[in-house]
Amino acid sequence: DTAVSQTPKYLVTQMGNDKSIKCEQNLGHDTMYWYKQDSKKFLKIMFSYNNKELIINETVPNRFSPKSPDKAHLNLHINSLELGDSAVYFCASSQVRDRVAHIQYFGAGTRLSVL
Amino acid sequence: DAKTTQPPSMDCAEGRAANLPCNHSTISGNEYVYWYRQIHSQGPQYIIHGLKNNETNEMASLIITEDRKSSTLILPHATLRDTAVYYCIVRPLNDYKLSFGAGTTVTVRA
Repeated sequence: DTAVSQTPKYLVTQMGNDKSIKCEQNLGHDTMYWYKQDSKKFLKIMFSYNNKELIINETVPNRFSPKSPDKAHLNLHINSLELGDSAVYFCASSQVRDRVAHIQYFGAGTRLSVL
Repeated sequence: DAKTTQPPSMDCAEGRAANLPCNHSTISGNEYVYWYRQIHSQGPQYIIHGLKNNETNEMASLIITEDRKSSTLILPHATLRDTAVYYCIVRPLNDYKLSFGAGTTVTVRA
């Protein structure tokens, strides 16, 4: 069983479209994240939710809207897609109550290509 | 802003130990050292973490200097499947996000 699963794995779309990426974790964790890895391979945090509440919101255009219907899911909706949104998006989860460390488990990524 | 410095790349021979250095001279007392790796086309994978003591698990060993200004990740017997980008990250326990730098691209050669 995949611990953190993202769908779709690949997403090709036109500029201006609206798209969503879904993420689910079956680890029972209470915190989930979205990271973006650009063409230069740098990984940057975008959002984080803890118990369905937004706790991290980095400098991300408001075209990006995360939605957490429950602790096991964190979806990413992107409006009016732009060429610069092309990247690989990774979902991750962790258990915040682990006093030793916040080990994050990552999904396999969603490669978004905006044409 | 990455608080660590790593060599951009290194090669190692299959079956030999791989020693990956990391400098974190501005580390604070409440910051842990984490190592993650990213194999090509996969998501990052946790390897190990530590505060000040040396740590070992089934994947690797982490050696942290006494002044905590640097550390070394040791892969005891590198295999071809260990070829990946390795990230050294420092982070306070109460900071949820991971701040990735450029990492070290490790190539294990047969």
